Amino acid sequence: ETGVTQSPTHLIKTRGQQVTLRCSSQSGHNTVSWYQQALGQGPQFIFQYYREEENGRGNFPPRFSGLQFPNYSSELNVNALELDDSALYLCASSSSGSLYTGELFFGEGSRLTVL
Amino acid sequence: GENVEQHPSTLSVQEGDSAVIKCTYSDSASNYFPWYKQELGKRPQLIIDIRSNVGEKKDQRIAVTLNKTAKHFSLHITETQPEDSAVYFCAVLEGKLTFGTGTRLQVTL
Repeated sequence: ETGVTQSPTHLIKTRGQQVTLRCSSQSGHNTVSWYQQALGQGPQFIFQYYREEENGRGNFPPRFSGLQFPNYSSELNVNALELDDSALYLCASSSSGSLYTGELFFGEGSRLTVL
Repeated sequence: GENVEQHPSTLSVQEGDSAVIKCTYSDSASNYFPWYKQELGKRPQLIIDIRSNVGEKKDQRIAVTLNKTAKHFSLHITETQPEDSAVYFCAVLEGKLTFGTGTRLQVTL
């Protein structure tokens, strides 16, 4: 088991609502990245945080935003939810620098359903 | 950006046979190539990885080969077992990790 924990594990929202997902990184890891995995697809990179700053972003609109805290835990916020936002949201931590070169350790994910 | 193609999308083999999954990528600057196994409802788990300065790596029944010139890499599973049944994803690192579309492996008795 990795030391990456995510909460909540499951949640249901309606269109237009906002959601916050949380991630605690593995001890000693200073880099956190977030991925969206729609059903039947591979994970898609949303963004990455290193030392509390966003230092990489995928092809996601600004309503996807995040934070990293001094203890390296992180939040993913999604505003104005759309049906297509329904997915498994995975957090991954690593010990590498801003352009990580090491392996990722994934949490179990938060499954979001938007109705 | 990086483009990763993965084939086949589904693969069915008999227990004891070998399975091979192939991925191609577009960015020659990519330098790290992990493979993940994802069981239903679970997180992706790293099973093997290879860096660009190595052509092949083996870990028991699992091996990965990399051809940087041709920009493709492959996962080889020998002596497959029912517990190998899962979805397998290749991925490529170039600043961020880009995943392939996945291969659903079914090992039948």
